[in-house]
Amino acid sequence: DAGITQSPRYKITETGRQVTLMCHQTWSHSYMFWYRQDLGHGLRLIYYSAAADITDKGEVPDGYVVSRSKTENFPLTLESATRSQTSVYFCASKGTRDTGELFFGEGSRLTVL
Amino acid sequence: AQKVTQAQTEISVVEKEDVTLDCVYETRDTTYYLFWYKQPPSGELVFLIRRNSFDEQNEISGRYSWNFQKSTSSFNFTITASQVVDSAVYFCALHSSNTGKLIFGQGTTLQVKP
Repeated sequence: DAGITQSPRYKITETGRQVTLMCHQTWSHSYMFWYRQDLGHGLRLIYYSAAADITDKGEVPDGYVVSRSKTENFPLTLESATRSQTSVYFCASKGTRDTGELFFGEGSRLTVL
Repeated sequence: AQKVTQAQTEISVVEKEDVTLDCVYETRDTTYYLFWYKQPPSGELVFLIRRNSFDEQNEISGRYSWNFQKSTSSFNFTITASQVVDSAVYFCALHSSNTGKLIFGQGTTLQVKP
């Protein structure tokens, strides 16, 4: 099916563990984004990518690592998870820089114990 | 720096009331887009509208209307005759044509009571 998918949808992990959230889109969109959603903060941009092998920091990048070896995938890794990274994570994509509308995945709910 | 402020954290209205959600933005870009997204209780993010910085015409879509005022850097959203199904979190967002990033406000939780 075409679209943007995230996995896992739900994840519980422990402090200090490494976690990777996957994001896959089938539109060949150039731009991909990772946001986290927390009560009182709305959606905050973690990292984004303008194309394969090009990534840049957003508003809250600390504690996260991204890579984009293929256009369709944009994994987000928490190298050593902390409780403050408990959140809902949204991946999004869009076709061009000037096309503002983002297409969002369904979100991944991560709990760090 | 870019910033979007939605000063209203929560709003509660009774069905059929009109309600306006405020959005104020900051940007140095001359070309930008403004957006509103809706997030119903099911959690997905639903695109509502996009407005180009060069187009200050107000827009109406059914019970929804948007008032874009560049002079006050505001892009307010009004729901007329609200319904229970309008209960959701609403996000205003600013897109930079320079960077391609979309920055969101904190969101306004709207509760419409029957």
